[in-house]
Amino acid sequence: GQQVMQIPQYQHVQEGEDFTTYCNSSTTLSNIQWYKQRPGGHPVFLIQLVKSGEVKKQKRLTFQFGEAKKNSSLHITATQTTDVGTYFCTTKTSYDKVIFGPGTSLSVIP
Amino acid sequence: DAGVIQSPRHEVTEMGQEVTLRCKPISGHNSLFWYRQTMMRGLELLIYFNNNVPIDDSGMPEDRFSAKMPNASFSTLKIQPSEPRDSAVYFCASSPGSRRETGELFFGEGSRLTVL
Repeated sequence: GQQVMQIPQYQHVQEGEDFTTYCNSSTTLSNIQWYKQRPGGHPVFLIQLVKSGEVKKQKRLTFQFGEAKKNSSLHITATQTTDVGTYFCTTKTSYDKVIFGPGTSLSVIP
Repeated sequence: DAGVIQSPRHEVTEMGQEVTLRCKPISGHNSLFWYRQTMMRGLELLIYFNNNVPIDDSGMPEDRFSAKMPNASFSTLKIQPSEPRDSAVYFCASSPGSRRETGELFFGEGSRLTVL
């Protein structure tokens, strides 16, 4: 079935450094959603991308949807300790199933 | 808005016992999802409902698992009999999306299940 892969699986950065996680699919996606899960918490919606080549920004976070709608990226500028958590991309398969990628776990060293 | 409410938050039980997890979705949302999260398998979709009807239960591990949504404000996930490998955090999420368009998912706090 349709699924998405994410790289890297883990990322450790020094506070202030940038961070990027990538989401890739072998098939064209109708949309991509990104979620963040803090340690011990539940996934929280960040953003949805729908259009080819779409770029959206939320403060220090920049989200991009690839031109072919097969990949997406999340970039965080100047990471802070509050950015710690696991970032998931999700895709909607046929029949509206929302499938989560494996996630990228970010740790930030103060 | 109270958000998605799950109970219990924590459950410790012995192998062979029946476990029932409960979820109250956000009022007005017509899609409800049950996910299971473990370190090894990540977030797995178990089943989802639209307008109280089960649409896809292909993620339900086996016959020991069952889920119901008797009305728009309540859903249960039951495991009978439970096994140690069922230990996980079970999340319920609801969405305002219709059958054709799934919008943002709103997650509950999760139910952490430990089966001894």
